[in-house]
Amino acid sequence: SQQGEEDPQALSIQEGENATMNCSYKTSINNLQWYRQNSGRGLVHLILIRSNEREKHSGRLRVTLDTSKKSSSLLITASRAADTASYFCATDNTDKLIFGTGTRLQVFP
Amino acid sequence: GAVVSQHPSWVICKSGTSVKIECRSLDFQATTMFWYRQFPKQSLMLMATSNEGSKATYEQGVEKDKFLINHASLTLSTLTVTSAHPEDSSFYICSASRPENSPLHFGNGTRLTVT
Repeated sequence: SQQGEEDPQALSIQEGENATMNCSYKTSINNLQWYRQNSGRGLVHLILIRSNEREKHSGRLRVTLDTSKKSSSLLITASRAADTASYFCATDNTDKLIFGTGTRLQVFP
Repeated sequence: GAVVSQHPSWVICKSGTSVKIECRSLDFQATTMFWYRQFPKQSLMLMATSNEGSKATYEQGVEKDKFLINHASLTLSTLTVTSAHPEDSSFYICSASRPENSPLHFGNGTRLTVT
């Protein structure tokens, strides 16, 4: 399967704590993207990191990419209850996006 | 606001009937749209790539005669689930990219329930 894998599958934290999600993939990539999905809804793009980049920030989000290990991480700092959602990494190598297995994040107030 | 509109948001149909799902790019032309399927608590699985003016490209294991894709214009792609069965019940999501850059913009999905 081309699909990447994420861990943990599920993560529960308290508001204010940081949440870290990891993504591993199998093929070479042009870029790696992270998306968020609220239950029963479409996906919202969070951040894109290109294959020649190692780290990127956007607000409370920090993404790292290690192409030698074929892995990426998403860190959400100072989490809020509204961050509760599923988070997916997606790799782009042949002009189509392949999604990872996802992490279900629950943030308790 | 939404840049990709998907309709309907949910549909219930009887086994054996066909269901059409529409995906529209609202303020840009999309030569390529993608159709994904998502089962409960699972990830999105790419079904096919819809190309304007040509045949869709299906992923391995996806039956092209069952999931008919038509991309007749630069702003509309349709997915028709033919002779639907209960195992086709799923969440179907379309996406489109603006020609000049990533990322993809997603519709809000269609929940199909086949009884």
